[in-house]
Amino acid sequence: AQSVTQLDSHVSVSEGTPVLLRCNYSSSYSPSLFWYVQHPNKGLQLLLKYTSAATLVKGINGFEAEFKKSETSFHLTKPSAHMSDAAEYFCVVIFNTGGFKTIFGAGTRLFVKA
Amino acid sequence: DGGITQSPKYLFRKEGQNVTLSCEQNLNHDAMYWYRQDPGQGLRLIYYSQIVNDFQKGDIAEGYSVSREKKESFPLTVTSAQKNPTAFYLCASSPGEGLDYGYTFGSGTRLTVV
Repeated sequence: AQSVTQLDSHVSVSEGTPVLLRCNYSSSYSPSLFWYVQHPNKGLQLLLKYTSAATLVKGINGFEAEFKKSETSFHLTKPSAHMSDAAEYFCVVIFNTGGFKTIFGAGTRLFVKA
Repeated sequence: DGGITQSPKYLFRKEGQNVTLSCEQNLNHDAMYWYRQDPGQGLRLIYYSQIVNDFQKGDIAEGYSVSREKKESFPLTVTSAQKNPTAFYLCASSPGEGLDYGYTFGSGTRLTVV
């Protein structure tokens, strides 16, 4: 069965320090992977996506993620956190199992301290 | 600008009442989706539609109904059969079904039972 796990429900960082949000998936199928950000009472906005091209993907607002097939991971990073980065982040994986199945991770809430 | 419009932003429902949430897109996307979001549970798929006049149940369709009479519109009705309707509802669209397609989300409707 396919699954997506965001390893931390909450992450707290200080402004100006690096951000690491972790995502692992489980599947025997090659996936496409996405990171979305959600600010309170808003919809989800696409940060970046991996769809079988370069394994290091750059997204908006200075975020990037690296697809590591051997580790089945797609961790999201940013070198220096900004107060405006405080939000909830979702890892989303699409699998082709004969039909397409999308699985959302449970989300990681990022807190940024001044 | 192209996008997805959800209305209303906030909706209050009395016990035993049906309510309809609106979702309109001008992206010319074929596929549309309804998700329910509860705290700590990520997003769960209610219904989706890949083409006009056709739709399929998602993982939690009981107590909900949809229609897709126009490509641009995918309204969701929360019926009195839905026993716990208080949640944040998100509508999304994509160009089609596939590994390369991410989602565009609306800004959501928060439904509260009073």
